[in-house]
Amino acid sequence: AQSVTQPDIHITVSEGASLELRCNYSYGATPYLFWYVQSPGQGLQLLLKYFSGDTLVQGIKGFEAEFKRSQSSFNLRKPSVHWSDAAEYFCAVGLNSNDYKLSFGAGTTVTVRA
Amino acid sequence: NAGVMQNPRHLVRRRGQEARLRCSPMKGHSHVYWYRQLPEEGLKFMVYLQKENIIDESGMPKERFSAEFPKEGPSILRIQQVVRGDSAAYFCASSRDRENTEAFFGQGTRLTVV
Repeated sequence: AQSVTQPDIHITVSEGASLELRCNYSYGATPYLFWYVQSPGQGLQLLLKYFSGDTLVQGIKGFEAEFKRSQSSFNLRKPSVHWSDAAEYFCAVGLNSNDYKLSFGAGTTVTVRA
Repeated sequence: NAGVMQNPRHLVRRRGQEARLRCSPMKGHSHVYWYRQLPEEGLKFMVYLQKENIIDESGMPKERFSAEFPKEGPSILRIQQVVRGDSAAYFCASSRDRENTEAFFGQGTRLTVV
């Protein structure tokens, strides 16, 4: 069965600084990988997804993620964070592109300081 | 254009009581998915429903939990005789169909059993 680990429970970053959130997955075949964000008071929103092809994926809100098969990782990055990026971020892995039985990580809470 | 609506946002129940969680999918969506997030863990799939049908309930606990999605009205996740271990955040997602369609998540219902 597939699984996801997000090693960082909480990250604090200054506004304007870069952000990287780690995600490691365990899955024998080609994974379908997702990043979601949950802003305070909101539902989970899909930031980006990786199915195949180019290993660097661009998403919404200026986020990108890089798939590294050799490291079983799918880290999320943003070059310059905004105060509105304070939220909880979830990495997930699925068996196919519309797999509803996604396996989610426990999430990383991002705090942005002025 | 309202998103996926879940209510209540917070629910407190005493041990042994029943909990009813509601999920109204986005307009035009007929597929609903329920997930549970236990403390310090990622979201875990519980059940997938279409109107009047349970498609996949492989993630549902065998006892006390049930779900429905009637022809009219919201989807309901029902937990009978709640126990402390049922305390969690319960998320609902909906999609228009199953093929290459993004699922949209609600804000979640946080259930606390005292």
